[in-house]
This record gives sequence, structure tokens and C-alpha cells, in this order.
Amino acid sequence: DVKVTQSSRYLVKRTGEKVFLECVQDMDHENMFWYRQDPGLGLRLIYFSYDVKMKEKGDIPEGYSVSREKKERFSLILESASTNQTSMYLCASSHSSNSLPSLNTEAFFGQGTRLTVV
Amino acid sequence: AQSVTQLDSHVSVSEGTPVLLRCNYSSSYSPSLFWYVQHPNKGLQLLLKYTSAATLVKGINGFEAEFKKSETSFHLTKPSAHMSDAAEYFCVVSDRGGSYIPTFGRGTSLIVHP
Repeated sequence: DVKVTQSSRYLVKRTGEKVFLECVQDMDHENMFWYRQDPGLGLRLIYFSYDVKMKEKGDIPEGYSVSREKKERFSLILESASTNQTSMYLCASSHSSNSLPSLNTEAFFGQGTRLTVV
Repeated sequence: AQSVTQLDSHVSVSEGTPVLLRCNYSSSYSPSLFWYVQHPNKGLQLLLKYTSAATLVKGINGFEAEFKKSETSFHLTKPSAHMSDAAEYFCVVSDRGGSYIPTFGRGTSLIVHP
């Protein structure tokens, strides 16, 4: 089975802290994503990556950055956490069906990290 | 750009009655469409997917969905609701115009009464 593992289920951080959310997948997927989930808003894409060291902004990248140094790991970084970043964060991965950054395949999700910024 | 609209934020049914969760999509290309389910405090699980094969797609736990291009719809149905179906359901679209990035609807909360 595909496994996407997020390092923490729950995190509490203080305003202004630098926060790292880690995600690891074990299926050699090319594509990885970070979403945040808020009630009534569904999942919104923060950043995605279709290859090692490649990253693309999603719909709401402000206040976030990412790192993909290895194929299996995709990290989300909150440079200076703020209370409006309190949310559920979901990591996902998928296989690329061809050499283009095609993401037309099922995405597999981690269990999520519920981050509270106080 | 691709988009998806889930027409109901909440749907309430009685156990044993049919379920209908509505989804409309917008896409300039041949889309792939998915339904995911999220139970409380759990991750997202794929229920079913449409990727240009049969228009009637069967998924897990008795759910199915029909792709209707003329109506740009991909509604999720189940003949008989079970208490364990109570969850949040997300309709998802991806296509070439959106770089095949999964784009989510806002979700429909399914409530099942005894």
C-alpha cells in the first residue's frame, strides 16, 4: 500500500516561530503536494513539486515555503508562524504518468497535521 | 481554469435511504474526476475515480458516480445509507489546463440519522 507519512498529528507553536512540517512517501512518486484544510473552504493548495528540487506555488503560498531535497520527502516551512496559519495541513503524493509534469493520477494523502499557533 | 462546485454543504439522510451528493465541474479539457471521503480525525480516502473510461464509476462501500459531460456533473450516489457513511466528502477535478493538480470542492458533510 502507498504510504504518506506526516511527522506529527498535532503541533502547537508560538507566534513568530519557524515551523517545519515533514512529509515522506514510500512509493517513489514524482509529485508531492501541500494543502491546508479549513472548515467550509475545502482543501487549498499551498505548494507542489513534480521533481526533486522543483517547486511551484499553489493558490495560497504566502507565508510558506517548501523544500524537496530528496524524492521521498517534501517539507513545508512556516517562516514566522501566525495565528491565521492555525489549520489542518495535508500532504499528498501521486505518480506522474509521463515525462511531463502530468498530475493526472490519484493522489494519496497523509493523515494530516493539525497545527495550532498561539 | 478547472474548478469544482459541491452544491450542498450539508446533506442529511436517514439510515437505509438513498444518498445523493452533488458535484458540478468546470474544465476546458477532458477532466479526471474523483470523490474522496474523510471520516472524523482521519485522512482522505479515495472512493472512486473517473478517467475517461466508463461514465458510470463504481467505488468502495457501495458508492457510485456518473460522469455526465452534457451537464458537467459528477454526482455521488449510494442506494442505502449506513451510519458509517457519516463523513465529509470531497469532489476533485484535475485536467491538463490546470497542470493536472487536484482541485477540491469545499466539501459536503453527510449526516446519517438512525
